[in-house]
This record gives sequence, structure tokens and C-alpha cells, in this order.
Amino acid sequence: EAGVTQSPTHLIKTRGQQATLRCSPISGHTSVYWYQQALGLGLQFLLWYDEGEERNRGNFPPRFSGRQFPNYSSELNVNALELEDSALYLCASSHQGRRNTIYFGEGSWLTVV
Amino acid sequence: ELKVEQNPLFLSMQEGKNYTIYCNYSTTSDRLYWYRQDPGKSLESLFVLLSNGAVKQEGRLMASLDTKARLSTLHITAAVHDLSATYFCAVDTSGTYKYIFGTGTRLKVLA
Repeated sequence: EAGVTQSPTHLIKTRGQQATLRCSPISGHTSVYWYQQALGLGLQFLLWYDEGEERNRGNFPPRFSGRQFPNYSSELNVNALELEDSALYLCASSHQGRRNTIYFGEGSWLTVV
Repeated sequence: ELKVEQNPLFLSMQEGKNYTIYCNYSTTSDRLYWYRQDPGKSLESLFVLLSNGAVKQEGRLMASLDTKARLSTLHITAAVHDLSATYFCAVDTSGTYKYIFGTGTRLKVLA
């Protein structure tokens, strides 16, 4: 069974640009979560989508946004990139009704220069 | 606001030794998770602890949960080099699935 897949693996952008990161959950999982792992800041919750709806949001500015598609895949968009947005962005998914463990993808490294 | 603290932050230990990583959290929670992260890699789920007194073991790792003390421990028995990684605990309150992660414990097992 394929795990959570994310693309791209690495992305380099300049300040002010927009970045789009993509995530495909494990087959059968309907919930998708996004986390940011920045150097020195640890893992921080960004967004949770379930059944196409945003269910919860972390303490991030509105320029961090996303969506979940009918096939449960998800996009994370970061607008007006700032240097401190450089981080590993991790996507995770869980199975509806068995929300005891979330499974993480390999992550997307975003570097803002 | 929920806070999750781990200690120690760094742990260097000899192979064959035992040690414990501690995870304290600030508010009531009925779910606690332990993850492992290798450098440059994603997070691997190790344990899910869902009730007070829960104890789970996998190989040389054993995790326990005391919800009254708001404390979880990850005990390492007879450490081996392959256990070198960063270990995170995470807490989810009220089933929000807004996991709050601890700072992580970077474990290095010396041969």
C-alpha cells in the first residue's frame, strides 16, 4: 500500500513568490494534515482538512492556505513568501473513523532565498 | 494553551545502556503519540497511547502514559546504534487532531 506522497521534494523560491505543495493521502484516508518543521521551531500544526472542508487551523497568517480536492488530495499554498517560510512541510493523513494515528509523508523542503 | 515539553533535548548514550525520555504536557489529554524521525526524513509512528496506565512495547522501546501526572515516558532498553534518531511526543486534545509536538529528543547511541 502506498504511503502519503508529497511533491515536490524540494522547491526553491524567491521572496514574494508563491509556493504550492501537493499531497496525496493513503488510499482510503479522508483527513489530511499539514505541518511545518522549521529549524529551531519544531513541528507546528498548520491545517487539517477532512472531507473537503478545513476543520482546524494553526497560528499561521492567512497567506498560508490550502484546499482538499474530491479525491482527498490536498494543496498547501504559501503566498508572499518570506525567508522564514523556509522549512520542511509535512503532510499526513488518517483514516476516517480510526483517527488514532496519522501517517506522515516524506515532506517537501521549501527554501526561500 | 497546550504546551508539550520533552527532556532531555539531547541524549548521548553508550550501546547497551538504558535511558528514559520524558514528555510532559500542560492540559488534559486522552491521546499521546510517539514518533521517530531520522535526519532528513519524515516521521514514523511508534506508539499511540490512549488511556491512563497504557503501556506499549516494541523491541527495545517501551512507552507509558500517566494522564493524571500528564506525563509519558519512552524507555530505551539496551540501546543499539540503530536507535539513533530524534524522538517526538505529541498530544492531541479533545480529538481536534491539532497535534502539539514536543521539542524532540535527539538521541545518539555510541558504539
